[in-house]
Amino acid sequence: DGGITQSPKYLFRKEGQNVTLSCEQNLNHDAMYWYRQDPGQGLRLIYYSQIVNDFQKGDIAEGYSVSREKKESFPLTVTSAQKNPTAFYLCASSFGTQDTRGQYFGPGTRLTVT
Amino acid sequence: DAKTTQPTSMDCAEGRAANLPCNHSTISGNEYVYWYRQIHSQGPQYIIHGLKNNETNEMASLIITEDRKSSTLILPHATLRDTAVYYCIVSSGNTPLVFGKGTRLSVIA
Repeated sequence: DGGITQSPKYLFRKEGQNVTLSCEQNLNHDAMYWYRQDPGQGLRLIYYSQIVNDFQKGDIAEGYSVSREKKESFPLTVTSAQKNPTAFYLCASSFGTQDTRGQYFGPGTRLTVT
Repeated sequence: DAKTTQPTSMDCAEGRAANLPCNHSTISGNEYVYWYRQIHSQGPQYIIHGLKNNETNEMASLIITEDRKSSTLILPHATLRDTAVYYCIVSSGNTPLVFGKGTRLSVIA
């Protein structure tokens, strides 16, 4: 898990409520990422940020929002517009563009919406 | 879509070498081959990466063919704790990693 914290590990919400997932890193990484994983599937990119105060949509951004006000933090909000929010959410960080050392992942948050 | 092809699943006897293949026939000259693994309900863990030379670290060895169209991850002495999904990814490093479904490796006692 190496310096990336996601909290909480399990999260339960009622349908129609927005929920914010936390991701913090102390690796001094410039770039941060959010992925979603459904059972038996690979990871799909939601949003990523290469620098503070800037972020880009990934493949499945609809129904999600992010902010990057600090280098260390990249919270993800799952809004009520997300049709199937129940999933395993993974945050990652890396040294950023032009760096080939790969991404480091947090332990994940399992969100259940009923 | 992921630019790699991996077998869906593999078995390996405990203590034996696990050899996980990956095809990446459309790899570009500036793209690296990355391997990650994901143990159930945990975040993916970086294993190793390489450009064209073979690489070895404390976890595994990576063998890349001379034409770079395929590679093999080798876990030299597999243990039960190596049971996981293994992902092979090609990337130039300046874009987010794209994960396919990987190979589910089962190490059997």
